[in-house]
Amino acid sequence: DSGVTQTPKHLITATGQRVTLRCSPRSGDLSVYWYQQSLDQGLQFLIQYYNGEERAKGNILERFSAQQFPDLHSELNLSSLELGDSALYFCASSPRDSEQYFGPGTRLTVT
Amino acid sequence: LAKTTQPISMDSYEGQEVNITCSHNNIATNDYITWYQQFPSQGPRFIIQGYKTKVTNEVASLFIPADRKSSTLSLPRVSLSDTAVYYCLVGVLSGNTGKLIFGQGTTLQVKP
Repeated sequence: DSGVTQTPKHLITATGQRVTLRCSPRSGDLSVYWYQQSLDQGLQFLIQYYNGEERAKGNILERFSAQQFPDLHSELNLSSLELGDSALYFCASSPRDSEQYFGPGTRLTVT
Repeated sequence: LAKTTQPISMDSYEGQEVNITCSHNNIATNDYITWYQQFPSQGPRFIIQGYKTKVTNEVASLFIPADRKSSTLSLPRVSLSDTAVYYCLVGVLSGNTGKLIFGQGTTLQVKP
């Protein structure tokens, strides 16, 4: 158990819908990262937050957005969902820019 | 961020030592080398990190030659539960580049 929690574990929704994925980092970790893992593209970095502020951006689509709240939990919002957005979404946290601790992931299925 | 090259897959038997080599010819002065392990449908798990020479922890060793253009993850006496995908990552640790760029990884299959 990494100490990072993600909810929900599974999510099934239809194309065009919007969903919110939630992540609670390890106690004391200020950095939160979001990754997408699909079969054809592997693990892709989406975005990083540090103590509430956006710090780095990766291959995140404009339909996706994220935020980190004062209590350090983070949410990833995915809108206008497409079939290709079906994937595992991982959140990770770290106390500093070194090793990252990954959560169990949220499996999103878009039908 | 330096690009990494790893073997796509490796096979081993229980009790053997496994060495997975990663090439990173364009590694920069400030880059660190980090290895992660991932089981199916689980998030990657940090294994080990190093900058140069040798690093050892309770699960693995990491060997980095003087030119740092490659690194080798060594897993002593593997068991069936070590069957997983292993990722080598290279990058700086501070500033706006805390993000990790994962390559294809090496799928290790441990046989009885």
